[in-house]
Amino acid sequence: AQKITQTQPGMFVQEKEAVTLDCTYDTSDPSYGLFWYKQPSSGEMIFLIYQGSYDQQNATEGRYSLNFQKARKSANLVISASQLGDSAMYFCAMRESTGNQFYFGTGTSLTVIP
Amino acid sequence: NAGVTQTPKFRVLKTGQSMTLLCAQDMNHEYMYWYRQDPGMGLRLIHYSVGEGTTAKGEVPDGYNVSRLKKQNFLLGLESAAPSQTSVYFCASSYSRGTPYGYTFGSGTRLTVV
Repeated sequence: AQKITQTQPGMFVQEKEAVTLDCTYDTSDPSYGLFWYKQPSSGEMIFLIYQGSYDQQNATEGRYSLNFQKARKSANLVISASQLGDSAMYFCAMRESTGNQFYFGTGTSLTVIP
Repeated sequence: NAGVTQTPKFRVLKTGQSMTLLCAQDMNHEYMYWYRQDPGMGLRLIHYSVGEGTTAKGEVPDGYNVSRLKKQNFLLGLESAAPSQTSVYFCASSYSRGTPYGYTFGSGTRLTVV
């Protein structure tokens, strides 16, 4: 079974609008961390935001917020006030407390339209 | 700047040739990883290391070997390159096991095997 599922291969959003990128995960470990990374066309992987499984509040980092719904096992990334520079590939990832590695989703390609 | 450095950034190999990709980090991280990224498949773990002198197989280890003789370096070797190994390779490092610790990624190596 896939540990991380991103069901949106591609998304479009109008500049200055908000967009939600979906991510669901599968784990039996009660302690885990969820991460989002951005990969622009230049190729580097940029860390955006982190949510711990025991965190009571949804994580926020500037225009990025993570909509964490533990019972549904979802960790959607919300980007507010989209900018042209947000056009990139976005990856959701999970790290379990019992494991040594991250599990990555297949990514969502976001295009911001002027 | 502190971080993860990968060399080379680009390489074209002929089928059957060998090469070594070097990953170096100066953050005193214990954990290091090699991933490959292919379109539509996200990042898949090749090999990883939890400390100097240790290595372990990931999801797609066949055709690759690794070594971690020094804590700061993690080498990925292709003994006899095949076209199926055409990919973008990312090295990453992490401070430790544990959910809050994210990856720091290198900038990637684009390898083409002809």
